[in-house]
Amino acid sequence: EVQLLESGGGLVQPGGSLRLSCAASGFTFSSYAMSWVRQAPGKGLEWVSVISGSGGSTYYADSVKGRFTISRDNSKNTLYLQMNSLRAEDTAVYYCTKDQGGVLAAAGTFAYWGQGTLVTVSS
Amino acid sequence: EIVLTQSPATLSLSPGERATLSCRASQSVSNYLAWYQQKPGQAPRLLIYDASNRATGIPARFSGSGSGTDFTLTISSLEPEDFAVYYCQQRRNWPWTFGQGTKVEIK
Repeated sequence: EVQLLESGGGLVQPGGSLRLSCAASGFTFSSYAMSWVRQAPGKGLEWVSVISGSGGSTYYADSVKGRFTISRDNSKNTLYLQMNSLRAEDTAVYYCTKDQGGVLAAAGTFAYWGQGTLVTVSS
Repeated sequence: EIVLTQSPATLSLSPGERATLSCRASQSVSNYLAWYQQKPGQAPRLLIYDASNRATGIPARFSGSGSGTDFTLTISSLEPEDFAVYYCQQRRNWPWTFGQGTKVEIK
């Protein structure tokens, strides 16, 4: 059974930093692209970033490019999102997702989702 | 950026009725479109991928159709557990984008 467990959310001041983690189990972690998708309170879904199975390729939404960094440790089956220079508009539930596809070229379908972790950016 | 527009914003129906949800893309996404269901306080769940393929464990009453710019999610006969918000999402071009959602509510 695929399980994704996010952690690391919380309250942070504008301009601050936070690192989210996602512990994965139930599948061969290194074989799948992984993404972060966020949802602001009462709003829709926004894709944030994706990383290939090897970790060698990454893509970001323009809204977070240059501030957020996605990474993974395949030896620990863990996905990360380093968030710097946080803004109020980054306030959201952040979901870790496992892609349906293996290679990044075929990625972009979010087959499994974690329960989410809330990030609140406020002074 | 490809914009996905979902209609209607809200659909008020009774259990047993047929639900038809629309998703229109601002440019062709071929068949690279998925549908997700989200219930309050829960993470989204993949229903349909590549326009018409049901995800694992999804009941047959859910079906997807379309290609290019116009897509439809159909729920043939609404069950009580189907009342939720539904999102479409494209993976044709970066950035991957979602529609704004359609809420299916009990009439």
